[in-house]
Amino acid sequence: DARVTQTPRHKVTEMGQEVTMRCQPILGHNTVFWYRQTMMQGLELLAYFRNRAPLDDSGMPKDRFSAEMPDATLATLKIQPSEPRDSAVYFCASGPDRTGELFFGEGSRLTVL
Amino acid sequence: AQSVTQPDIHITVSEGASLELRCNYSYGATPYLFWYVQSPGQGLQLLLKYFSGDTLVQGIKGFEAEFKRSQSSFNLRKPSVHWSDAAEYFCAVGASSGTYKYIFGTGTRLKVLA
Repeated sequence: DARVTQTPRHKVTEMGQEVTMRCQPILGHNTVFWYRQTMMQGLELLAYFRNRAPLDDSGMPKDRFSAEMPDATLATLKIQPSEPRDSAVYFCASGPDRTGELFFGEGSRLTVL
Repeated sequence: AQSVTQPDIHITVSEGASLELRCNYSYGATPYLFWYVQSPGQGLQLLLKYFSGDTLVQGIKGFEAEFKRSQSSFNLRKPSVHWSDAAEYFCAVGASSGTYKYIFGTGTRLKVLA
């Protein structure tokens, strides 16, 4: 059963530390999305890729966040330095171009103290 | 710019009652429209989608949605709710121009009374 895999599932860190979240999209999917979910803001689109190329990262705080796809099987979201306001659940989703459907991972819950 | 509005933050219905969750969108052309469901601690799962054609679309778990262009709406319905339907529901709009940028609404949390 193909699924999007995210690691870590939970991360607690201290303010100022670097955080890296990883995502393995479903094999064959060529679009990858990063979303952040909080109670206050809901689901916010941070960045998305198509065929590994970044198409839009306008939703991401550029000074501390970065997103990359070093290869087709790995997408990363890095926060450096982390701040308490970054505490949220970060979701990765992938999809095949033609159907437009997104398949979500189970999320990485980040707590920054 | 794309936008999605879900006017109801919380909805409570009795088990067996009918359900309608509202979604309004803003997009310059005919959008791709989706409904997703999220159970606690889980990612989002697709319920149904509309790209073109028949404006009444059927999804999984007995859900359906109707695209109404004149009202810019894509409301989700279910004739008889089950206790297991309690979850959060998200409407999303995707650009039909091929940019594949998906914007989600703020969600509607459904509570089902036994």
